[in-house]
Amino acid sequence: GAVVSQHPSWVICKSGTSVKIECRSLDFQATTMFWYRQFPKQSLMLMATSNEGSKATYEQGVEKDKFLINHASLTLSTLTVTSAHPEDSSFYICSARDRRYEQYFGPGTRLTVT
Amino acid sequence: AQSVAQPEDQVNVAEGNPLTVKCTYSVSGNPYLFWYVQYPNRGLQFLLKYITGDNLVKGSYGFEAEFNKSQTSFHLKKPSALVSDSALYFCAVRDRASGNTPLVFGKGTRLSVIA
Repeated sequence: GAVVSQHPSWVICKSGTSVKIECRSLDFQATTMFWYRQFPKQSLMLMATSNEGSKATYEQGVEKDKFLINHASLTLSTLTVTSAHPEDSSFYICSARDRRYEQYFGPGTRLTVT
Repeated sequence: AQSVAQPEDQVNVAEGNPLTVKCTYSVSGNPYLFWYVQYPNRGLQFLLKYITGDNLVKGSYGFEAEFNKSQTSFHLKKPSALVSDSALYFCAVRDRASGNTPLVFGKGTRLSVIA
């Protein structure tokens, strides 16, 4: 089946620094990738949708200058959390959609900002 | 707009007993419906989906779900629960006609299977 990887799986950073999370579709081309955020014991909240080669579309309330998304190729999307603060600590999950509109999920990245 | 409701935050069941995790949905057209399971600090694992055809869908690990259009429900079931089934379960929906939209998730139901 289709596999989506995320790197890193766990990251700890200091407040004020930036962190980049990679999402890769390993065996298929992802025309669209989604980034979700999950707070403890809560559901997945869609942050943004990115299409290869174009700017990401952000959900209401998500700061696009803080959460930079780049979808440089059909197999790679990156989420950069800029000037991270403790309230950005969360579990970030990416999802890649193939040409049949099937959506596959990565294993998630746990971000802790100290 | 699409939405999913999982009315129970927590479901407790004894090992060996049948389990049901409830889900109702709302879409403007016909739905694609999904169930995912999440273990602590892990991503989502796909369990099953309903696209079209038989209302009873069988998925991974002995789980099944029944699509009920009149009740707009897609409850997850398993005849005999295992302790290892204890996890967080998410129901998700997408309008079949809206190919570009992402899945919308319910808030999740925590299943606890007690030995």
